[in-house]
Amino acid sequence: YELTQPPSVSVSPGQRARITCSGDALPQQFTYWYQQKTGQAPVVVMSKDNERPSGIPERFSGSASGTTATLTISGVQAEDEADYYCQSADSSGKYWVFGGGTKVTVL
Amino acid sequence: EVQLVQSGAEVKKPGESLKISCKGSGYRFSTSWIGWVRQKPGRGLEWMGIIDPGDSETRYSPSFQGQVTISVDKSSSTAYLQWSRLKASDTANYYCARPAGGGTGPFDYWGQGTLVTVSS
Repeated sequence: YELTQPPSVSVSPGQRARITCSGDALPQQFTYWYQQKTGQAPVVVMSKDNERPSGIPERFSGSASGTTATLTISGVQAEDEADYYCQSADSSGKYWVFGGGTKVTVL
Repeated sequence: EVQLVQSGAEVKKPGESLKISCKGSGYRFSTSWIGWVRQKPGRGLEWMGIIDPGDSETRYSPSFQGQVTISVDKSSSTAYLQWSRLKASDTANYYCARPAGGGTGPFDYWGQGTLVTVSS
């Protein structure tokens, strides 16, 4: 089972960044999003498609429709430059997978 | 405070065996699954598998089934990832991580990572 993400997204400060994640089982399974900065462990920035964990800025939002989930960063800041990974389970719910990752570059 | 502390970096030769560890503290170890994630240099995250310390039920990603062994020692609150014969392609940073809410994912707590270098 695979989740597909675009390799890179570039955005100017203050603009909106959208990162997509596609997978056949996404209609049945929640999508989670991680942010990973260089040299650090990943951190969850979005849970269950669209639930923002405590401490995550409001500019992060999530949505899902059909086989695609989307992480949106509104009003991108320089500190948002990082790699972003989606994660979900296969149709059985027993096995998890990460997307290939999307590098967000703030111009 | 939940903490996952991993063993230190390793440098090994192809064909050698290796077992790295992840010690949990700050929570009831036997009640929460522990997973392993591989990250090759400059590459993405790969979900390797996960184990329930309570009954040692283990689930492997098809990509890693037969390539590694995941185990636990409840008495020491430690999870392990081991290889019987390392390959150069096993060179990576390996994270252990604990899923949120008692299920099998996503991971809310991560170890600091163990860098494994396999080179002749």
